Amino acid sequence: DTEVTQTPKHLVMGMTNKKSLKCEQHMGHRAMYWYKQKAKKPPELMFVYSYEKLSINESVPSRFSPECPNSSLLNLHLHALQPEDSALYLCASSQDSTSNQPQHFGDGTRLSIL
Amino acid sequence: AQKITQTQPGMFVQEKEAVTLDCTYDTSDPSYGLFWYKQPSSGEMIFLIYQGSYDQQNATEGRYSLNFQKARKSANLVISASQLGDSAMYFCAMRGLFSGGYNKLIFGAGTRLAVHP
Repeated sequence: DTEVTQTPKHLVMGMTNKKSLKCEQHMGHRAMYWYKQKAKKPPELMFVYSYEKLSINESVPSRFSPECPNSSLLNLHLHALQPEDSALYLCASSQDSTSNQPQHFGDGTRLSIL
Repeated sequence: AQKITQTQPGMFVQEKEAVTLDCTYDTSDPSYGLFWYKQPSSGEMIFLIYQGSYDQQNATEGRYSLNFQKARKSANLVISASQLGDSAMYFCAMRGLFSGGYNKLIFGAGTRLAVHP
């Protein structure tokens, strides 16, 4: 069982909907990440949080809005998404954001935009 | 620029045999980390093994070992005694750095492994 928990596992939403993806870890990790993965492609980094502060935004459109309420939780708020945003969204965490410690991933949320 | 190359889009192996998945990398940083992840069709990314650039010994984790050849800039994954459950996509990744020192995982394109009974 993964130690990074993502909910929901599947999400279907219309282009006008607002929804949120949630990620939780209880490993005491201080860095958390959001990745987007299209079919048959490697994951692409979206955001990096370090000690609950947004450290990196990889030029992600503003219709994706991350939030880190505390050291264990990471949210991704979605609004006015486009069909091309349909993908697997993966959350990951690591001990910190600057060492060689591995990132541990959740099971992902499969998002479909109608 | 940092780059990871996996040249095998697909591989197959007979159950109980060993298989090697290739990975080459390019970086000018003297300190870096190399990782292998497994992604079954269900989607989760499972961390398998890690090799640091200064590690003298090849990393091993159970049936997984990493054949690290620093001069050749290669970090091949060896899976011994393949099992049907090993069928998955395998990604090689390298720790890169943003300015400010924040981690970035740079992934290769992946190799899909099929284990046949």
